[in-house]
Amino acid sequence: EDQVTQSPEALRLQEGESSSLNCSYTVSGLRGLFWYRQDPGKGPEFLFTLYSAGEEKEKERLKATLTKKESFLHITAPKPEDSATYLCAVQIGGGYQKVTFGIGTKLQVIP
Amino acid sequence: NAGVMQNPRHLVRRRGQEARLRCSPMKGHSHVYWYRQLPEEGLKFMVYLQKENIIDESGMPKERFSAEFPKEGPSILRIQQVVRGDSAAYFCASSPPGLNNGPLHFGNGTRLTVT
Repeated sequence: EDQVTQSPEALRLQEGESSSLNCSYTVSGLRGLFWYRQDPGKGPEFLFTLYSAGEEKEKERLKATLTKKESFLHITAPKPEDSATYLCAVQIGGGYQKVTFGIGTKLQVIP
Repeated sequence: NAGVMQNPRHLVRRRGQEARLRCSPMKGHSHVYWYRQLPEEGLKFMVYLQKENIIDESGMPKERFSAEFPKEGPSILRIQQVVRGDSAAYFCASSPPGLNNGPLHFGNGTRLTVT
């Protein structure tokens, strides 16, 4: 069965304290891995897509990387506005964009 | 998220009533996905529709739940005879035609409360 596991479930950082979130997956035929950010009461907001091992994407203080078994979301010098739940999702074969989500990492950045 | 419009944002129903959730995809998108998010759980796939067709309903409960995406108008997720366990946030996402990978674009969801 395809599985997506995110860790830690919750993370509390001081402003400026860099860290990484992990997403490990056991799927056959990965077509893409996605990172989303979700704020309370809102829908997931797309951040990154990664398609192959070794690929990296960056946006402001966030950097996503992908290996054959896991992905990391690195947060450099976070600010309070980075507080949110970060979701990882994988797309497998099938010819359309159905994705399976992990449960997420709830990040809190303290000023 | 402004592109995918869902309404209502909040819906309260008594046990046994019907709930209708609407989703208008982003302009130019003709594929719609419905997901459910229970408290303290991840987003779970329910159904994938194209205009006038249900393509994959493998995540949708066999009873009481149905979905449609007519030629004209929004996609509708319908829950008949709601029970307390149906209380959740329901999210709709859309994608353009002819694209087999790439991100889904989500709306801000409908929060259903069953009393």
